[in-house]
Amino acid sequence: SAVISQKPSRDICQRGTSLTIQCQVDSQVTMMFWYRQQPGQSLTLIATANQGSEATYESGFVIDKFPISRPNLTFSTLTVSNMSPEDSSIYLCSVKSYNEQFFGPGTRLTVL
Amino acid sequence: GENVEQHPSTLSVQEGDSAVIKCTYSDSASNYFPWYKQELGKGPQLIIDIRSNVGEKKDQRIAVTLNKTAKHFSLHITETQPEDSAVYFCAASGGTASKLTFGTGTRLQVTL
Repeated sequence: SAVISQKPSRDICQRGTSLTIQCQVDSQVTMMFWYRQQPGQSLTLIATANQGSEATYESGFVIDKFPISRPNLTFSTLTVSNMSPEDSSIYLCSVKSYNEQFFGPGTRLTVL
Repeated sequence: GENVEQHPSTLSVQEGDSAVIKCTYSDSASNYFPWYKQELGKGPQLIIDIRSNVGEKKDQRIAVTLNKTAKHFSLHITETQPEDSAVYFCAASGGTASKLTFGTGTRLQVTL
């Protein structure tokens, strides 16, 4: 299985600011994803991070709000821009490896 | 698109008893069905998965069954232990390139 790390593990931010979350995988993977998990809820896919091209966003999520970078096959970042309290969630990095999908530990974001 | 329903939302069992969580899916093209365990403050952990070419898979105290005709699959945990207490998510996808659709989650509590 792939080992995934995320930084930061948690943060408290002021509304109107931006936060960049980093995701590092211990092996090269083709597919990386970013999910959001609101308190007590299931997982919602934000976007697929594509190496060397723009991310593919799901309905309801836009690049201006959630810009994503994927400079290589082991690293990606998700930025939550111009934050509001509604952005308070757990943000999870996920990768597909050998046809199985694994998740990182998550970044717990609180926006005041 | 795919829709996955999961029941029950909460489940309380006594230590040593069995627990069963059920999911139904809508897309007959779905062929991969993983189960994730999420402990408090952690990311989802893949615990078992099944593909559409088999009807059952076991791994120690955990088993998953799949009924393609009825489009439902279940997670069975036998001899439950307190450390099994967590939120469990089922998911479905239609192939190696398609995204996972998650159920709403089941909070399992194993009491002494």
